[in-house]
Amino acid sequence: NAGVTQTPKFQVLKTGQSMTLQCAQDMNHNSMYWYRQDPGMGLRLIYYSASEGTTDKGEVPNGYNVSRLNKREFSLRLESAAPSQTSVYFCASSDRLQPQHFGDGTRLSIL
Amino acid sequence: DAKTTQPPSMDCAEGRAANLPCNHSTISGNEYVYWYRQIHSQGPQYIIHGLKNNETNEMASLIITEDRKSSTLILPHATLRDTAVYYCIVRAPRAYGGSQGNLIFGKGTKLSVKP
Repeated sequence: NAGVTQTPKFQVLKTGQSMTLQCAQDMNHNSMYWYRQDPGMGLRLIYYSASEGTTDKGEVPNGYNVSRLNKREFSLRLESAAPSQTSVYFCASSDRLQPQHFGDGTRLSIL
Repeated sequence: DAKTTQPPSMDCAEGRAANLPCNHSTISGNEYVYWYRQIHSQGPQYIIHGLKNNETNEMASLIITEDRKSSTLILPHATLRDTAVYYCIVRAPRAYGGSQGNLIFGKGTKLSVKP
């Protein structure tokens, strides 16, 4: 049982490049989330999707877009990467009243 | 969501119980206490949660004070693999996610289990 799978695990980009982080869950959860974690900090919510077909901004949405492709998949896109977006990105999923399950993260460096 | 306060770091001897405190003095009646941990470089892992009664599972016990203003996570026999950052989070579970369902992570407590 894979749980929450994130790809890629590592990525290096140049400033201004674009890329999409992928997340898929196999637990049939309705809600999915994207967080970022900077060194020495807790996680901060970027975007979330309460259910298939809906997305909403979290605490730090600027510079990002998301797509809830279907119930399983929730992608995060950086249209024009900036060094300030260097971080570890975590995807999570959950269902009503249940704890969130997290992926192992994508480590993104922007030069 | 209620704010939580945790000590930045704690040490524990291997095989002993690790008791991690959390203050949440502004908790409201419908808010649960959740505990997660993050082992270096991995995604956060759910440990346990509770409303007002003490809870126990295969990983840990959660003790919540009667006034619900503080709680303690207990790892009964800590091992080296329990070395991690532990997060105490208070929130009200709702039907769907979003600002009503996301987790607000503080800086947590860095637990170091020593041989």
